[in-house]
Amino acid sequence: GQNIDQPTEMTATEGAIVQINCTYQTSGFNGLFWYQQHAGEAPTFLSYNVLDGLEEKGRFSSFLSRSKGYSYLLLKELQMKDSASYLCAVRDPGGSYIPTFGRGTSLIVHP
Amino acid sequence: NAGVTQTPKFRVLKTGQSMTLLCAQDMNHEYMYWYRQDPGMGLRLIHYSVGEGTTAKGEVPDGYNVSRLKKQNFLLGLESAAPSQTSVYFCASSLDSLNQPQHFGDGTRLSIL
Repeated sequence: GQNIDQPTEMTATEGAIVQINCTYQTSGFNGLFWYQQHAGEAPTFLSYNVLDGLEEKGRFSSFLSRSKGYSYLLLKELQMKDSASYLCAVRDPGGSYIPTFGRGTSLIVHP
Repeated sequence: NAGVTQTPKFRVLKTGQSMTLLCAQDMNHEYMYWYRQDPGMGLRLIHYSVGEGTTAKGEVPDGYNVSRLKKQNFLLGLESAAPSQTSVYFCASSLDSLNQPQHFGDGTRLSIL
């Protein structure tokens, strides 16, 4: 079975840094994706981690610890446009490698 | 570059009616997926396809059928719509099942009365 947990909602201030956590318990592991989804729109790809460590892409970074079943998405210099849902998805060989999504974290950025 | 296109974008059905949602991708992707998204539930996989002529069940397949007769198209059918199928449906595609991300369509908002 697969269990992927994310906080339901977070709030932060414009210009600040926020960390969105994702923990997973799966029968196997073969990669973790982060997606951003603005209200009423399609999810869009942010990052992919398969090895332990930090991947940096501009203001966004993603970290993975396979031994702890843990990932986080770090957003720096928050902007109002970063208000969105952030979805964590895990690829499990036991699930035919098809990514399974967590319920998503709704991030609200206020001035 | 259209990417993944879903039609229709909105639809209202009565209980018991049938309909087909169409997904088309122009990226020559092998894998295609249908998800539903409900408040507080995240994206749940309905059916998927790993190539032309193949389909497989996902997490919540009951009440839905799919077909992948052409590589670029993936159809989702509701034979007898039920109010529990009111949802936003997203189609996605990916080049393969390895480290390639999924590309999503804009969604179909379906209401069953």
